[in-house]
Amino acid sequence: SAVISQKPSRDICQRGTSLTIQCQVDSQVTMMFWYRQQPGQSLTLIATANQGSEATYESGFVIDKFPISRPNLTFSTLTVSNMSPEDSSIYLCSATPGQRTDTQYFGPGTRLTVL
Amino acid sequence: DAKTTQPPSMDCAEGRAANLPCNHSTISGNEYVYWYRQIHSQGPQYIIHGLKNNETNEMASLIITEDRKSSTLILPHATLRDTAVYYCIVRVIYNQGGKLIFGQGTELSVKP
Repeated sequence: SAVISQKPSRDICQRGTSLTIQCQVDSQVTMMFWYRQQPGQSLTLIATANQGSEATYESGFVIDKFPISRPNLTFSTLTVSNMSPEDSSIYLCSATPGQRTDTQYFGPGTRLTVL
Repeated sequence: DAKTTQPPSMDCAEGRAANLPCNHSTISGNEYVYWYRQIHSQGPQYIIHGLKNNETNEMASLIITEDRKSSTLILPHATLRDTAVYYCIVRVIYNQGGKLIFGQGTELSVKP
């Protein structure tokens, strides 16, 4: 399995500002993903973070709002830009390790509250 | 990826087996059945997956019907710590993994 950490674990932000969430994996992985979980809801995939190329976004999510970086095989960032209260959610990072290509492991999540 | 249908909630007595059903009647031949769970305020945890044979690991057993249109996750001796939302997901495994599409899941409450 892969051990995934996220920073920060939680934050409270003002509307109009941006927050960058970091995701670190303890081993090199091929694929990394970012999910959003709104209060009381299930997880929704935001995008696939591709190493060395632009992220692939799901319908309803755009790069200007959720820019993603993937500078190497163990690290990715998600920025939530120009935040509004509707962005208050848990943001989760996941990864598929090279050793177990068929299983996805998740980080603990970042709880974001926008005032 | 195929859609899944799960009951929104279930109760189970501590120490008894918890049997969580999942319908996936439109599953394709190359789609696997995955189970994850999410304990409150934590990231989802992988439990088990299978294609057509029954599978067992240290956490649970997965029973897939012969026509693959439904499956059951079995927690053999449920404990209070198994209280969580359980997600059944079907997906194709691409090269080096593929995205997961989460439904609403089943909220399992294990009671003393």
